Amino acid sequence: QKEVEQNSGPLSVPEGAIASLNCTYSDRGSQSFFWYRQYSGKSPELIMSIYSNGDKEDGRFTAQLNKASQYVSLLIRDSQPSDSATYLCAVPGGATNKLIFGTGTLLAVQP
Amino acid sequence: DTEVTQTPKHLVMGMTNKKSLKCEQHMGHRAMYWYKQKAKKPPELMFVYSYEKLSINESVPSRFSPECPNSSLLNLHLHALQPEDSALYLCASSPTGGYSNQPQHFGDGTRLSIL
Repeated sequence: QKEVEQNSGPLSVPEGAIASLNCTYSDRGSQSFFWYRQYSGKSPELIMSIYSNGDKEDGRFTAQLNKASQYVSLLIRDSQPSDSATYLCAVPGGATNKLIFGTGTLLAVQP
Repeated sequence: DTEVTQTPKHLVMGMTNKKSLKCEQHMGHRAMYWYKQKAKKPPELMFVYSYEKLSINESVPSRFSPECPNSSLLNLHLHALQPEDSALYLCASSPTGGYSNQPQHFGDGTRLSIL
């Protein structure tokens, strides 16, 4: 059974700080990793995809992948109150493209 | 605005009613999905359609009946639901079915309440 694990939080950071969200996965053969942001009562929104080791940057967001250690992280620089949401890590589950989700980390950015 | 459109946004129904949820995408995606999400939990996969054929049913009760009329449309027919079926129902799509490294794109969801 493939698993994706996240700390449920809440992770509380002050406005302007760097928020660091972490995710570990069990399937060493996983090739792609996704971060979704979900505001309360809304649907998940894809914010980052990462496929190879190293860093991928998009604006204030940086995804980091370390396949040897089987973890993927999301850094949010200059955190804003509008970044307060649940962040879901997801990994495709193989032949059916089923997404395996972590439990999500609740981020609270304090003004 | 999302490229996956779900209707209605909200639905309240009694346990004896029959209703349908609708999902439409015009991105040319060939895989479509139904998820159920309860509060403070991740989305839970219900059904997968790949190239308009049902490829996964995650042991969903028969009171939920999916239908894929064409590659752009996905329906979820509801009948004799229980109060515990109240949840956010999400539709998603991805470019291809089968093994893929591509992400899924979600609609805004339908908030369903069963009285």
